Amino acid sequence: GENVEQHPSTLSVQEGDSAVIKCTYSDSASNYFPWYKQELGKGPQLIIDIRSNVGEKKDQRIAVTLNKTAKHFSLHITETQPEDSAVYFCAARAGGTSYGKLTFGQGTILTVHP
Amino acid sequence: DGGITQSPKYLFRKEGQNVTLSCEQNLNHDAMYWYRQDPGQGLRLIYYSQIVNDFQKGDIAEGYSVSREKKESFPLTVTSAQKNPTAFYLCASSKYEYAGAPYEQYFGPGTRLTVT
Repeated sequence: GENVEQHPSTLSVQEGDSAVIKCTYSDSASNYFPWYKQELGKGPQLIIDIRSNVGEKKDQRIAVTLNKTAKHFSLHITETQPEDSAVYFCAARAGGTSYGKLTFGQGTILTVHP
Repeated sequence: DGGITQSPKYLFRKEGQNVTLSCEQNLNHDAMYWYRQDPGQGLRLIYYSQIVNDFQKGDIAEGYSVSREKKESFPLTVTSAQKNPTAFYLCASSKYEYAGAPYEQYFGPGTRLTVT
């Protein structure tokens, strides 16, 4: 089955700096890669996603890049703010008939210091 | 407001007891999912259901059971056979994936289960 590795496990930045979180996946047939933000005691919330036919997607301060050849994708947050502090999860959806099955990375605890 | 409701937020049980976690959605989604989250780990899929009266095992289904009698509801029972039931449980829903086109999964607020 699919395996997703996420790095780093913790990331500490100063307000205004950029943050980058990287994930690798194992199944070359995976076709959908969402990123979720989870605040303490709450459920994850989708912040951006990318499909396998696209190399990059941007939404204001957040961007995701996908390298299908290397089987890795990254989340980029620019001009970080204290409210960006949370746990971030990447995920990959296998292709074929694995409807809706997402495999998640282990998570990255992002701390933005004012 | 449309969304997913999980109740209760905190649940305490004695070892050996079965417990059922509630999940209700009013997003008119066909698909629903149950995940387990442990400290320092990602989410792991327990069961999922694409339509009413049908569900499939996820990666860690042992010790759990589900039912899907209504589109809006997907309760999860943690049985006494689950060796390490203490965890944070998350329910999610999405549109039905026709021809494999993926849709966003929306998550509920979670239920923290503690078994002693």
